[in-house]
Amino acid sequence: KNQVEQSPQSLIILEGKNCTLQCNYTVSPFSNLRWYKQDTGRGPVSLTIMTFSENTKSNGRYTATLDADTKQSSLHITASQLSDSASYICVVSGGGGSQGNLIFGKGTKLSVKP
Amino acid sequence: ETGVTQTPRHLVMGMTNKKSLKCEQHLGHNAMYWYKQSAKKPLELMFVYNFKEQTENNSVPSRFSPECPNSSHLFLHLHTLQPEDSALYLCASSQEGAGVHSGTDTQYFGPGTRLTVL
Repeated sequence: KNQVEQSPQSLIILEGKNCTLQCNYTVSPFSNLRWYKQDTGRGPVSLTIMTFSENTKSNGRYTATLDADTKQSSLHITASQLSDSASYICVVSGGGGSQGNLIFGKGTKLSVKP
Repeated sequence: ETGVTQTPRHLVMGMTNKKSLKCEQHLGHNAMYWYKQSAKKPLELMFVYNFKEQTENNSVPSRFSPECPNSSHLFLHLHTLQPEDSALYLCASSQEGAGVHSGTDTQYFGPGTRLTVL
């Protein structure tokens, strides 16, 4: 069964600290993996996208890694800010031509405290 | 803002009511999507429209009825809903559906409609 598992479920860190969020998937075939940020009361916004051949992608203070062999991805946030408080969602595309073959994780809720 | 708007932002309705959710995208995209987001559950894809044609119906109950009159507008008509249908309903658009899966395209989400069914 195609699944995307994210950990931890929730995380609290102090402003200025770094953190790493994890995403493990069993989706096959694999096409690409995306990380989204969803602020409270808003829709998800794309942070990074990685295809099979890419193993790292950065977007400002956000750096995503992908290990297609172990089917794991991580999102590293550097020097966290209060505005980083949000849910971070990992999404894996199973390709196959089906537009519905996007598998979403449940997300990690990050709270950055002053 | 992402270029995708949704109205209303909040909706409370009884189980016998009929209401509609509206989504509009100003990005010139050809694919539009409806998702349901419930607490502590992953986003659930409901419907996909590509060039105004429905290309995906993810086993959604018939009390949810989508309508896509053109590539810029998407509606979700609601009738005789159940309390468990209470959730955040998100609309998204992308240039075209296949690009989302090849990695060349991405989805842009609206802010969602928070629906409460009493």
